[in-house]
Amino acid sequence: GAVVSQHPSWVICKSGTSVKIECRSLDFQATTMFWYRQFPKQSLMLMATSNEGSKATYEQGVEKDKFLINHASLTLSTLTVTSAHPEDSSFYICSILPGRAVNEQFFGPGTRLTVL
Amino acid sequence: EDQVTQSPEALRLQEGESSSLNCSYTVSGLRGLFWYRQDPGKGPEFLFTLYSAGEEKEKERLKATLTKKESFLHITAPKPEDSATYLCAVAFTGGSYIPTFGRGTSLIVHP
Repeated sequence: GAVVSQHPSWVICKSGTSVKIECRSLDFQATTMFWYRQFPKQSLMLMATSNEGSKATYEQGVEKDKFLINHASLTLSTLTVTSAHPEDSSFYICSILPGRAVNEQFFGPGTRLTVL
Repeated sequence: EDQVTQSPEALRLQEGESSSLNCSYTVSGLRGLFWYRQDPGKGPEFLFTLYSAGEEKEKERLKATLTKKESFLHITAPKPEDSATYLCAVAFTGGSYIPTFGRGTSLIVHP
């Protein structure tokens, strides 16, 4: 399967600061990447679809000005949580669709964000 | 109303005690059904894709089956290392191509 990395694996920040999370596709050129958020004992909630060279598509209820997504290359997408607050504390996971099979996704290892 | 429902929410088994996890979906027009395994603090790991009723896939102690309205993940003679959360995701022909995830089944296998 495809290999996806994320950095950092965990981050602790103070309320009001911004945090950047990187998602890299190591062996596929990904024109599309996805960002998910997962709260404890909950399933994955799609936040946005990251499109290389164009604006991200955000799901209903996700603030695009708070969760900035940049997909600058075919192997890198970044998610910036701006002015983070404790309620933004969550597990953030990215994924790619290599295109070898319909809708088969491969996920990164996730980033645990804790906002104090 | 949830489009993808997984049951049970949690399952405890003794090592060697076979069982099944269920994933049911309410929307017609299946594009594909996916099973993932997720360990605590990790991203989901892809297991299987099923496309049509009657299809089956196997991998070690796991076997996934699909009917028109649900899928089962059968675990035969589980081992403690099979302990994880198992997620089901479904892509529908009438909606977004991005799959919708269920809440998962947390499986614990005791030695």
